[in-house]
Amino acid sequence: LAKTTQPISMDSYEGQEVNITCSHNNIATNDYITWYQQFPSQGPRFIIQGYKTKVTNEVASLFIPADRKSSTLSLPRVSLSDTAVYYCLVGDMGSGGGADGLTFGKGTHLIIQP
Amino acid sequence: DGGITQSPKYLFRKEGQNVTLSCEQNLNHDAMYWYRQDPGQGLRLIYYSQIVNDFQKGDIAEGYSVSREKKESFPLTVTSAQKNPTAFYLCASSRSFGSFYGYTFGSGTRLTVV
Repeated sequence: LAKTTQPISMDSYEGQEVNITCSHNNIATNDYITWYQQFPSQGPRFIIQGYKTKVTNEVASLFIPADRKSSTLSLPRVSLSDTAVYYCLVGDMGSGGGADGLTFGKGTHLIIQP
Repeated sequence: DGGITQSPKYLFRKEGQNVTLSCEQNLNHDAMYWYRQDPGQGLRLIYYSQIVNDFQKGDIAEGYSVSREKKESFPLTVTSAQKNPTAFYLCASSRSFGSFYGYTFGSGTRLTVV
């Protein structure tokens, strides 16, 4: 089971770039890394997913080093509306039939200040 | 628009009663999941279903039951055996089983025992 470790909370300011790192030392060859964003009283929302190197979309970038034991979610020029909890998940296509990769940890509570 | 609908948004239960939370999706997804979230905590997996007429226990299944008679529907019953049912309940679905496929979440049901 690829467990993940993230900082409990982070603070930043509007306009800054924010990087949130997730450790997953036991990641398996078939595992992908997926990040979600959750606002209070809402369900999490998919942000980005990657396997290795760098992935970028209109919202964020995901950096994954060669050993894949960690990943970094990068949010460019954050605003107050980026204040949320961010979760890192590691899992595969579920071919093994088990619940690996379905576990959300406590996530990182990101607070953006003016 | 396709999505997941959870109802009701708020639910109050007297001690000793069973209650059923509804979850319906029109995304044609095979897999569905139920999570529980307590204040300041991450999401904990209650039950999941990879396909119709199949479901498996998650990490905290005691005191809960589910059914998956139709592809679109995955209701969760909170029984009187659940000692501390007050929480925020989230339903999710994915195209196939496994976190690789990305989860779509509903807006949640907040259950309170009175």
